[in-house]
Amino acid sequence: KAGVTQTPRYLIKTRGQQVTLSCSPISGHRSVSWYQQTPGQGLQFLFEYFSETQRNKGNFPGRFSGRQFSNSRSEMNVSTLELGDSALYLCASRITGGGSYEQYFGPGTRLTVT
Amino acid sequence: KNEVEQSPQNLTAQEGEFITINCSYSVGISALHWLQQHPGGGIVSLFMLSSGKKKHGRLIATINIQEKHSSLHITASHPRDSAVYICAVTLIQGAQKLVFGQGTRLTINP
Repeated sequence: KAGVTQTPRYLIKTRGQQVTLSCSPISGHRSVSWYQQTPGQGLQFLFEYFSETQRNKGNFPGRFSGRQFSNSRSEMNVSTLELGDSALYLCASRITGGGSYEQYFGPGTRLTVT
Repeated sequence: KNEVEQSPQNLTAQEGEFITINCSYSVGISALHWLQQHPGGGIVSLFMLSSGKKKHGRLIATINIQEKHSSLHITASHPRDSAVYICAVTLIQGAQKLVFGQGTRLTINP
């Protein structure tokens, strides 16, 4: 089975722009979670999507949003970019049900805001 | 205080040494995860534990639910084990989100 894929892998944007990142989960995985990793804050949960619905959201401003499509692929969008949004954005997918908590991570998208 | 605390933050050792990384948590959990992150960013899940002990090759992970503590051990360490090791927990209440420790940067010198 192919692993979790994320596109693009690297991105440079300027302040005030908006950006969309994409995540394709492992086939059969219906839950996709997004995480932000920065040197100062470490890894932080952004949100989780399941069956095209946002189930949980972390403590991030409304500029961060996401969605999930019927094929379980997910996108996250950041509007009005700030310098502090520079980070590695990781998505992870998992099978749901049966008490399965193991998450499989993608390679990440490294976003630089200048 | 962070919900998940790891120690040490940095660890340098010689090849062949026995390595222990500790993780303590202060919340109710459904599972505890040990993750490995190499330079470049990709994260690999090493273990997921809800009780007891698991072993995979030279890596061993243990968890004590009563004490809210887990350890990751590496036997016969090798330079290729150099990475950041991250402890994370799945909360027992509601969200299936992961809460992460700050990570332990491990460097194994030849």
